[in-house]
Amino acid sequence: DADVTQTPRNRITKTGKRIMLECSQTKGHDRMYWYRQDPGLGLRLIYYSFDVKDINKGEISDGYSVSRQAQAKFSLSLESAIPNQTALYFCATSDAGEETQYFGPGTRLLVL
Amino acid sequence: LAKTTQPISMDSYEGQEVNITCSHNNIATNDYITWYQQFPSQGPRFIIQGYKTKVTNEVASLFIPADRKSSTLSLPRVSLSDTAVYYCLVGDEPGRRALTFGSGTRLQVQP
Repeated sequence: DADVTQTPRNRITKTGKRIMLECSQTKGHDRMYWYRQDPGLGLRLIYYSFDVKDINKGEISDGYSVSRQAQAKFSLSLESAIPNQTALYFCATSDAGEETQYFGPGTRLLVL
Repeated sequence: LAKTTQPISMDSYEGQEVNITCSHNNIATNDYITWYQQFPSQGPRFIIQGYKTKVTNEVASLFIPADRKSSTLSLPRVSLSDTAVYYCLVGDEPGRRALTFGSGTRLQVQP
């Protein structure tokens, strides 16, 4: 969905490096999410935010941190990247009171 | 959060109707049932949502029996472009919590 953008789309980094994945949305939604997807598996929730002052851990938050800089921006950081964080990362948004989530195009991350 | 169980994979041919069933035995009173579709290297896309009985839109139908312990996504006359992974999610009051995606059902449509 073009209303949800992620940068970068692809990233290669080395073990121990700190990296940031960014998500922006123009849908005006209050709620934003970060997921990771490993090959052949479903999505697992890392962090989510229901408004600018709200941050919640998901299923697999260890090794990650987030920042909700504004309603439209939600960044995911890997403090010290490790190879098993190699995955496809998706950002999503939703409107308060609705289940439907709108996903970005994904960021493919490779940690060497 | 209610746990869901779906078949890992299904095969079909173009023009056939495909029904994918999801079990959610511990669904709560306030839970809605939502289905997403995901193509390779893309984010999931909302297909349909329902609470009870039957819901139909331009893409699919969703059948929910009275006990709501399962639901069936029905795709009429599938085409090759319907090859994707389909996720069934169950969540409480809309938007109240983040949803959990399982492994989904991988649908392969053959010519």
